[in-house]
Amino acid sequence: KQEVTQIPAALSVPEGENLVLNCSFTDSAIYNLQWFRQDPGKGLTSLLLIQSSQREQTSGRLNASLDKSSGRSTLYIAASQPGDSATYLCAVRPGQGAQKLVFGQGTRLTINP
Amino acid sequence: DADVTQTPRNRITKTGKRIMLECSQTKGHDRMYWYRQDPGLGLRLIYYSFDVKDINKGEISDGYSVSRQAQAKFSLSLESAIPNQTALYFCATSDPTSGGAGEQFFGPGTRLTVL
Repeated sequence: KQEVTQIPAALSVPEGENLVLNCSFTDSAIYNLQWFRQDPGKGLTSLLLIQSSQREQTSGRLNASLDKSSGRSTLYIAASQPGDSATYLCAVRPGQGAQKLVFGQGTRLTINP
Repeated sequence: DADVTQTPRNRITKTGKRIMLECSQTKGHDRMYWYRQDPGLGLRLIYYSFDVKDINKGEISDGYSVSRQAQAKFSLSLESAIPNQTALYFCATSDPTSGGAGEQFFGPGTRLTVL
């Protein structure tokens, strides 16, 4: 059974720092991995999707990497801003035929001005 | 306007009541999903639909039913609500034929409280 873990559960850093959020999964046979942000009381916003054949994806100040063999993904946020404060979730799709995403518990990120 | 909308956004109800949560999308996607989010348990899939005639149970479908009225509309019903169905409910869509290869897009969520 695929399990996804995100450590730490919460992270607080000063504005301007570069930071890395971690995601690990137990079964390396994934189809893709998706990073989301969730603002309090709101829905999930898709940030990046990495296919199993890819090593990384970039969008603006965000860079997500994927190492399937070690069961790890990282989300790198450059030059953090207070508006980046949110909960970040990673989710894996176990296979092309699988419909559900398996989510981690999320990392609650606070950027202090 | 949001691509995936959910109504209502908040709902408080009593045990035993029938509740319907609605989802509409303008993304033109065939696939739609219902998830619930609980503290400490993350998001779990309730039901999903590939098209109007294809509906499938997810991992926690007991106590729920769904209706796909059109490509753009997918409703979740709680026939007789119970307190442990208190949660944040999300609708999502995806298009496997797009370049995003099944990237899922979520609505804003419905916070349901069952007293």
